[in-house]
Amino acid sequence: GDSVTQMEGPVTLSEEAFLTINCTYTATGYPSLFWYVQYPGEGLQLLLKATKADDKGSNKGFEATYRKETTSFHLEKGSVQVSDSAVYFCASVGQNFVFGPGTRLSVLP
Amino acid sequence: ETGVTQTPRHLVMGMTNKKSLKCEQHLGHNAMYWYKQSAKKPLELMFVYNFKEQTENNSVPSRFSPECPNSSHLFLHLHTLQPEDSALYLCASSLETGRSTDTQYFGPGTRLTVL
Repeated sequence: GDSVTQMEGPVTLSEEAFLTINCTYTATGYPSLFWYVQYPGEGLQLLLKATKADDKGSNKGFEATYRKETTSFHLEKGSVQVSDSAVYFCASVGQNFVFGPGTRLSVLP
Repeated sequence: ETGVTQTPRHLVMGMTNKKSLKCEQHLGHNAMYWYKQSAKKPLELMFVYNFKEQTENNSVPSRFSPECPNSSHLFLHLHTLQPEDSALYLCASSLETGRSTDTQYFGPGTRLTVL
């Protein structure tokens, strides 16, 4: 079946550091790919999405590119802030939504 | 107005109680979902409804009983729960299931504690 793998962390960075959270997927067909973010005490919020190969999703300084050849959708941000501290979930949807286990990010001032 | 709302936000119940969680979406969607999020475990899909019909039940114990009276409302009825059922219960909605371009929108969750 479809699956999503992502680095589980936790990831701890200093403010203004570069962030990469890796995500790879296995799926039949051509799924759409998503990154969701969950701040403490809240539900999941859509951060960005890409629906086809080579699409780049971006939002709030975060970016991810749909790479069909490597079945990846890595999340990047050039300069993280303390307010980016949260749990990040990679997800794919073909016939069903499949979520990765989440990566906890802590950004220190 | 928030797209997906959940009530209550926090619930503490004994093992012999009966309670219900409510989810409402204001997005005109036709699919609704219940997820369980426990500490240090991946997000677990519990139930899926599409156009009010249950399309998925991921081996959830019968002490959890979902109800979807219309496309905008979803309930999770709880009875004789166990302490290990303590978790954050998340509701989500999407346009409909089976669409590869669809996006799920989540509510804020209900933090459930079973004593």
